[in-house]
Amino acid sequence: RKEVEQDPGPFNVPEGATVAFNCTYSNSASQSFFWYRQDCRKEPKLLMSVYSSGNEDGRFTAQLNRASQYISLLIRDSKLSDSATYLCVVSPSGGSYIPTFGRGTSLIVHP
Amino acid sequence: NAGVTQTPKFQVLKTGQSMTLQCAQDMNHNSMYWYRQDPGMGLRLIYYSASEGTTDKGEVPNGYNVSRLNKREFSLRLESAAPSQTSVYFCASRDNKYGYTFGSGTRLTVV
Repeated sequence: RKEVEQDPGPFNVPEGATVAFNCTYSNSASQSFFWYRQDCRKEPKLLMSVYSSGNEDGRFTAQLNRASQYISLLIRDSKLSDSATYLCVVSPSGGSYIPTFGRGTSLIVHP
Repeated sequence: NAGVTQTPKFQVLKTGQSMTLQCAQDMNHNSMYWYRQDPGMGLRLIYYSASEGTTDKGEVPNGYNVSRLNKREFSLRLESAAPSQTSVYFCASRDNKYGYTFGSGTRLTVV
């Protein structure tokens, strides 16, 4: 089993739709969780951290389920500009903080 | 605040040539990383440096060497480039609270 798994997609949705991605991780000792966004031929950029209690940033909501070892990202009212690849990142809390990246989920928002 | 700066942005090498990819961060981060990203493979860790003066191998270190010159700079060297090293290379550094910040990448082609 891969350490961090994501459905590669693509998720093809119309503008205004709500879309959700999940990411499962295998290391139960993982402590830090992030969602990154990567545009074509660009570097990954932090979208949001994922906290145990769940967190929201505008149209984006992230949740963590430690019991089932997955994190989720919900995007409401999708915009054309949301088209990108979304990377799930899982990291230990200490040491060298080596993160494990998922391979990403591709989102295409169409008019 | 420049964040993470990588040079060069593009490079074409002939098989057997050597080169050094430069990376510098101005955020006073302790941990720095070098990744390569290939289509369908996601981000793979080449080397990392948990702090100034230390370096360790990641998932795919063969054919590479690194130097953590000081807290700001972490360079990646290809001693004898091979076509299999054609990839996009990203440098990153880590903040305890805000996750990983990436440079804009180096697109390397080995012919």
